[in-house]
Formats: sequence, C-alpha cells, structure tokens
Amino acid sequence: EPEVTQTPSHQVTQMGQEVILRCVPISNHLYFYWYRQILGQKVEFLVSFYNNEISEKSEIFDDQFSVERPDGSNFTLKIRSTKLEDSAMYFCASGEGATGNQPQHFGDGTRLSIL
Amino acid sequence: EDKVVQSPLSLVVHEGDTVTLNCSYEVTNFRSLLWYKQEKKAPTFLFMLTSSGIEKKSGRLSSILDKKELFSILNITATQTGDSAVYLCAYIIQGAQKLVFGQGTRLTINP
Repeated sequence: EPEVTQTPSHQVTQMGQEVILRCVPISNHLYFYWYRQILGQKVEFLVSFYNNEISEKSEIFDDQFSVERPDGSNFTLKIRSTKLEDSAMYFCASGEGATGNQPQHFGDGTRLSIL
Repeated sequence: EDKVVQSPLSLVVHEGDTVTLNCSYEVTNFRSLLWYKQEKKAPTFLFMLTSSGIEKKSGRLSSILDKKELFSILNITATQTGDSAVYLCAYIIQGAQKLVFGQGTRLTINP
C-alpha cells in the first residue's frame, strides 16, 4: 500500500540553526500538509500546499517557516532559525483530493530535538 | 470558539471486550469528522464521516456521526491487544484545508 515517507526519522539541531525536514507524499496525491505534535499535546496544523502554493497556514507558521516542492516528488519544511520550542514531532500528510473530500494520509514523522 | 473534546481520555479493558470512544464537537460550518489510530508514529486513517446516521464499518471497527447532537462514536468489538493505541478524532470546516484534532483517547487492551 502506498505511503508517505519522511526523512530523517530523528533530527537533533542546535538552537539557531536551520533545519529541513523532507517528505515524499503518495505519488498521485495533489494536496500536501505539515502538522506538528509537541510531546503530550494535540496534533496541530501548520500549513497546507496545493498547486505549488500555500493554501492555508496557521499562526504557528510564521516567517521562520517555509515549504517547498522542489521537484515532482519531494515536499520540504524548512525552519530558518530554530528555537527550543520548535522541538516536536513533525508529520507530513498528503491527500488525493481537497480536505473535506478525501482523507489525509500521514507519514511516520520526524522527531526534531532542538538543543 | 470551535472545539472538539474526546472522552474518555484513557481506557483500559480486557481483550475481547467492546469499547465505545466518544468525540463531541462544537464547530461553526462543520464539514466532516475523521477518526485516526495513532500507535507509535503516524496517525493511520480509519473513517471519514460527513453525513449523519450512516454507519461506516471496517472489520471490527465502526463509526457513526450525529450532526444534531454534535458527536461521533467509534466502536471496537472483540478487542485485541493490537488495538492498543491513541485514537484521534479531527474535524474539518467548510472551505478549510486543515484538520483540527482532539486530544485523543489512549486505549489499552490487556490480554
């Protein structure tokens, strides 16, 4: 069964450093998302991406965050200058159709630890 | 303010028992409600519910949505240890792209 793959599974970074989290969505999916889950808290929406542009973003997704689909298969989340509070599990998700019409399917996540 | 509340937060049962998990919501412009199972890592999609009163089934799992009383339930019959997980519900509002998740119910099935 096709799945969303994320790399790396665990990333440890010094505060202030840039980090790029990578995702390969399911191949025929057109809608892409990033969520995060701080330990012990709810899964929170960060951003949705369709047709090479951001379609919706949350308050968390400030100027330090950016997303890109650099080629036909990868979808990346960049954090420019990481803070301690960015430590979380980051999930990529993809959907065949728009949210509300088709479910989102999640990857296994990247655990980001900021020191 | 829109919100979603799951209950109970934690549940421990014996293998073979039937469980019912609840998800209540107060949402303006509600579109759909989804259930996911989260074991160690990725939330795994279970059900997407848009219409009231129509039960969705997958093996021992079933779910239904009540748009009048604003809740959904997830039933698991003849539970197995492999059903141990956190079960998440999430809603979508009309025209939005994001899922808004509840805090989850941690289900533990003891042999």
